[in-house]
Amino acid sequence: GENVEQHPSTLSVQEGDSAVIKCTYSDSASNYFPWYKQELGKRPQLIIDIRSNVGEKKDQRIAVTLNKTAKHFSLHITETQPEDSAVYFCAASKQRMTTDSWGKLQFGAGTQVVVTP
Amino acid sequence: GAVVSQHPSRVICKSGTSVKIECRSLDFQATTMFWYRQFPKQSLMLMATSNEGSKATYEQGVEKDKFLINHASLTLSTLTVTSAHPEDSSFYICSARPGLSSYEQYFGPGTRLTVT
Repeated sequence: GENVEQHPSTLSVQEGDSAVIKCTYSDSASNYFPWYKQELGKRPQLIIDIRSNVGEKKDQRIAVTLNKTAKHFSLHITETQPEDSAVYFCAASKQRMTTDSWGKLQFGAGTQVVVTP
Repeated sequence: GAVVSQHPSRVICKSGTSVKIECRSLDFQATTMFWYRQFPKQSLMLMATSNEGSKATYEQGVEKDKFLINHASLTLSTLTVTSAHPEDSSFYICSARPGLSSYEQYFGPGTRLTVT
């Protein structure tokens, strides 16, 4: 099955600096890679996702890059703010239009991001 | 749009009793729902995949007789933890997927289960 590794496990950055979280996956058939932000005791919130037919996607201060050959993808947060402090999870899944049995998300272990003012 | 609710948000039960958790998609029909368990400071671990009108598919190591899943309608899935023990204490989160054309899953707010 799919295996997703995520690094680092903790990341401390100064407000205004950039944060980068990296993930690798094992199943070359995976084609959907979402990133979630989770605050303590709350549900995971999708912040950005990328499909395997593109190499990069950006949404304001957040960007994700995907290298299918190397099977890794990264989250980039620029101009970090204290409200970016949370646990971030990457995930990978296989999506296919023909059956409901696909779509299971395999999560990475998570990265605790702390942004200090 | 795409709101998923869970009930209850918190539940405390005694060891040996059963607890039912509901997951509802409020403004869309969910052909597939997923149930996750999350222990403190850990990641989300998929327990089972639930398709409306059919039996749930459980992940390896998850006891299907202990964690009963029913997906009786396109907007409701339930997880029943039977004969709960303290080690079942965890944060249980569901997610719902609108259909084959949707890649995204929408997560419920989670249920904190404490077994005493």
